[in-house]
Amino acid sequence: KQEVTQIPAALSVPEGENLVLNCSFTDSAIYNLQWFRQDPGKGLTSLLLIQSSQREQTSGRLNASLDKSSGRSTLYIAASQPGDSATYLCAVRSGGGADGLTFGKGTHLIIQP
Amino acid sequence: DTEVTQTPKHLVMGMTNKKSLKCEQHMGHRAMYWYKQKAKKPPELMFVYSYEKLSINESVPSRFSPECPNSSLLNLHLHALQPEDSALYLCASSPSLAVSYEQYFGPGTRLTVT
Repeated sequence: KQEVTQIPAALSVPEGENLVLNCSFTDSAIYNLQWFRQDPGKGLTSLLLIQSSQREQTSGRLNASLDKSSGRSTLYIAASQPGDSATYLCAVRSGGGADGLTFGKGTHLIIQP
Repeated sequence: DTEVTQTPKHLVMGMTNKKSLKCEQHMGHRAMYWYKQKAKKPPELMFVYSYEKLSINESVPSRFSPECPNSSLLNLHLHALQPEDSALYLCASSPSLAVSYEQYFGPGTRLTVT
């Protein structure tokens, strides 16, 4: 059974710092990996989708990498801003057909003004 | 338009009530999903619909009854729920069940069972 782990569970940094969030998964036979952002009590906003054949994806100040063979992904946030404060969730699609996403527990990020 | 909408935003119901959650998308997606998220936990898959047919039921109790009346609409009918069913219920959609596609999530319905 696929398991997804995110480290750290919580992170607090001053505004302007670059930071890295980590995600690992136990079964490397994944199809893709998605990073989401979730604000308190809200739904999920998709940030980046990386297919299993890709090594990285970029969107603005966000860069996600994928090392499928080692079962790891990182989300790099450049020049962090207070508006980046949220919980960041990593999810993998590892079942073909009708399976949904398997999520990690998330990293709760606070950017101090 | 990459929006998935869910109604209501909040719902409080007693254990003997019957209520329904609604999810709608107009992106032409043919796969739709229900996830349940308990407080401070990750979302967990409940049901998957593909072309209006139920593809996956992740051993969800029968007090939760999904329905997909058309390609744009997904309902979750609730009956005789327990307080432990209180959670954020998230709907998602994707173009199809093909593994390369991104899933788009709605804002969720916050359900409280009293």
